Amino acid sequence: AQRVTQPEKLLSVFKGAPVELKCNYSYSGSPELFWYVQYSRQRLQLLLRHISRESIKGFTADLNKGETSFHLKKPFAQEEDSAMYYCALNPRGSTLGRLYFGRGTQLTVWP
Amino acid sequence: KAGVTQTPRYLIKTRGQQVTLSCSPISGHRSVSWYQQTPGQGLQFLFEYFSETQRNKGNFPGRFSGRQFSNSRSEMNVSTLELGDSALYLCASSLAVFDGTDYGYTFGSGTRLTVV
Repeated sequence: AQRVTQPEKLLSVFKGAPVELKCNYSYSGSPELFWYVQYSRQRLQLLLRHISRESIKGFTADLNKGETSFHLKKPFAQEEDSAMYYCALNPRGSTLGRLYFGRGTQLTVWP
Repeated sequence: KAGVTQTPRYLIKTRGQQVTLSCSPISGHRSVSWYQQTPGQGLQFLFEYFSETQRNKGNFPGRFSGRQFSNSRSEMNVSTLELGDSALYLCASSLAVFDGTDYGYTFGSGTRLTVV
């Protein structure tokens, strides 16, 4: 069964410090992985998808199939990065159209 | 380009009533998914529609149902409301072509349902 695990419910760092939000998944096939972010009082929005290998707002994420991980990283955290971050998996094929979400990590960046 | 629009934004209903929520996807998007978000359970998939057909369904009781119209707009209905149905209901739309590529999902702001 597909599962996404975000082991940290809360994560706090100081401005300028590196930050890593962990995401592990279980899926036997070839998944598509995403990071979504939800800022306070705003809608859930797509931050990154592994397929595009892009960097958004200084964040990057690399899919490690050996470790079944898709950790989100940023070398220098900013106060405006404070938000709820969700890792999500979309299994390809017959289950197209469904995202499996982790429970989320609340990131707080202190000044 | 207009985003995903959900109406109403807030709803208060009493136990036993039924409710209908509406979602208008981004123009051109044919897939509409619904999720329930609660502090206790997080984001849980309800169902997904593509070209007026339900393609996927999550583990929710039959009281939760949905449909999609020819213009891709979607509605979800919850009958015989229970206190535990209080949640933020999110709709997401996607291009969802059949080549196996996922273009990502765009979420609406949600409908906050409170059952009293």
